[in-house]
Amino acid sequence: EPEVTQTPSHQVTQMGQEVILRCVPISNHLYFYWYRQILGQKVEFLVSFYNNEISEKSEIFDDQFSVERPDGSNFTLKIRSTKLEDSAMYFCASSDEAGSYNEQFFGPGTRLTVL
Amino acid sequence: AQSVTQPDIHITVSEGASLELRCNYSYGATPYLFWYVQSPGQGLQLLLKYFSGDTLVQGIKGFEAEFKRSQSSFNLRKPSVHWSDAAEYFCAVGARTNAGKSTFGDGTTLTVKP
Repeated sequence: EPEVTQTPSHQVTQMGQEVILRCVPISNHLYFYWYRQILGQKVEFLVSFYNNEISEKSEIFDDQFSVERPDGSNFTLKIRSTKLEDSAMYFCASSDEAGSYNEQFFGPGTRLTVL
Repeated sequence: AQSVTQPDIHITVSEGASLELRCNYSYGATPYLFWYVQSPGQGLQLLLKYFSGDTLVQGIKGFEAEFKRSQSSFNLRKPSVHWSDAAEYFCAVGARTNAGKSTFGDGTTLTVKP
């Protein structure tokens, strides 16, 4: 069964460093999402992406964040200068059609630890 | 703005007992509603979803949920809980927009006693 994959599973970085979290969505999917989950808290929407542009972003997704689909298979989230409060689990998701009535398939997540 | 409330932070049930996890939502129109399960260290797995039609929806692993518009609720139920059901459960509401973002509740942690 096709699945969303994410690498790395755990990333440790120093405050102020740049990190890139990588996701490989399901191959025929066109809509991509990033969510994050701070330890012990709810899953929060960050950004949705379609046709090589951002469809919607939350207030969390400030200028320190960017997303990119550099090739036909990867979808990345970059944090330019990490802060302690960026420590969280980051989930990538994809769906094959627009609208959340279509199931979003979630990856296993990348745990980001900022020291 | 859409929002989800899961009133129970933690629920403990005995194996074989029935289960109901509560979810209340706020949304300006008919919502898309989801229940996800997350085991420790794992991603989110969709249990079931409601878009329209029959208000009682069946999901995987023997779960079901009932959409009640009058109560703005979408409670998750299972008649007989198994030890493997111990996990975190998230209710979510989806926007009827092309962006398709989902808004999650705080989650309910389910512990199953032997």
